[in-house]
Amino acid sequence: QKEVEQDPGPLSVPEGAIVSLNCTYSNSAFQYFMWYRQYSRKGPELLMYTYSSGNKEDGRFTAQVDKSSKYISLFIRDSQPSDSATYLCAGRAAGNKLTFGGGTRVLVKP
Amino acid sequence: EADIYQTPRYLVIGTGKKITLECSQTMGHDKMYWYQQDPGMELHLIHYSYGVNSTEKGDLSSESTVSRIRTEHFPLTLESARPSHTSQYLCASSAGGEDEQFFGPGTRLTVL
Repeated sequence: QKEVEQDPGPLSVPEGAIVSLNCTYSNSAFQYFMWYRQYSRKGPELLMYTYSSGNKEDGRFTAQVDKSSKYISLFIRDSQPSDSATYLCAGRAAGNKLTFGGGTRVLVKP
Repeated sequence: EADIYQTPRYLVIGTGKKITLECSQTMGHDKMYWYQQDPGMELHLIHYSYGVNSTEKGDLSSESTVSRIRTEHFPLTLESARPSHTSQYLCASSAGGEDEQFFGPGTRLTVL
């Protein structure tokens, strides 16, 4: 079993819709959770960072962590074609390295 | 935009050749990483370094080697390339914590 699992997609939505991305993880020691965005032929870039359970909002992006169910989510409001990318979730335990999911490909159609 | 560079961007090479993938960063970061990423798959850490003359193997076993003689430079070498080495190789660096890593654009390696 992979430590971090994501549906590979693609997830296709019309422009302006809410994009909902999910990730599950198996390591109960994870405390730090991240969402990275990766455009085609580019390296990933950090989008959101969350510590432990709860919500974090940054502009059009909201990240949620539910440690009880080992579930993390990313919501993108008012999606734009420029949001078309692969979104990677990652987690880590204190003192450990990041573990990445395989990513979900998102397509926002004009 | 993060200043981390990888060369070459694309490389097609025959089996048995020795190759070096270059990675340089101008941000003065102490921590640097090499990941391997196959299409649609997760990033796997293959090497990391916490500073000059410090290198460690990552979670994924790799036949490659790395060196860190200068802070800004973290090259990866394959002594004898094989088709199983075909993949994308991503280099990253971070300042302090592990979580905000700045990635280069990657090198897409194909071994025939």
